[in-house]
Amino acid sequence: AQSVTQLDSHVSVSEGTPVLLRCNYSSSYSPSLFWYVQHPNKGLQLLLKYTSAATLVKGINGFEAEFKKSETSFHLTKPSAHMSDAAEYFCVVSDGGATNKLIFGTGTLLAVQP
Amino acid sequence: DTGVSQDPRHKITKRGQNVTFRCDPISEHNRLYWYRQTLGQGPEFLTYFQNEAQLEKSRLLSDRFSAERPKGSFSTLEIQRTEQGDSAMYLCASSYSSGANVLTFGAGSRLTVL
Repeated sequence: AQSVTQLDSHVSVSEGTPVLLRCNYSSSYSPSLFWYVQHPNKGLQLLLKYTSAATLVKGINGFEAEFKKSETSFHLTKPSAHMSDAAEYFCVVSDGGATNKLIFGTGTLLAVQP
Repeated sequence: DTGVSQDPRHKITKRGQNVTFRCDPISEHNRLYWYRQTLGQGPEFLTYFQNEAQLEKSRLLSDRFSAERPKGSFSTLEIQRTEQGDSAMYLCASSYSSGANVLTFGAGSRLTVL
């Protein structure tokens, strides 16, 4: 079965410093992986997706993630944090079945300090 | 297109009452999903529709839960005889049949059972 593990439940950074949110995946085949962001009182928004094309995936708002098969990781990074990045971030894997349902990690809450 | 709409956004009810949530997906999307998110957890899959057909239900969906999607447009999720453990955010998402599983989520319906 497919699953993802987000290694940090909370991450705190200062504005202007790099962001690293860690995610490991488990999959019996080449997975489709995603990062979604959830701001308070707003819907989940897709940041980026990996679907077996380029291993370095660029998303919205300056975020990117690198698929590393040897490490079964899909970490999310951003060179310089902005106050508006404060939110909850979810690493997600597709189950690969006919339903194409998504399996979410437990989330990482990113705090950005001024 | 205003995206995925969910109604009501908040519902407070007493234990034992029935509640119904509505989801209006993006009009061109033929796939519709319901997820449940409890505090501190990622969303968990509940059920999935392809057009009007309900094709998969999670074991999380007890007999008290029923979902419909008449005519393949909007969907309703009804919970009968609510319990305190039903308190959660209920998320609806929609997608095309293709498109690398990119789901568009609504803002959710928050249920509080007293």
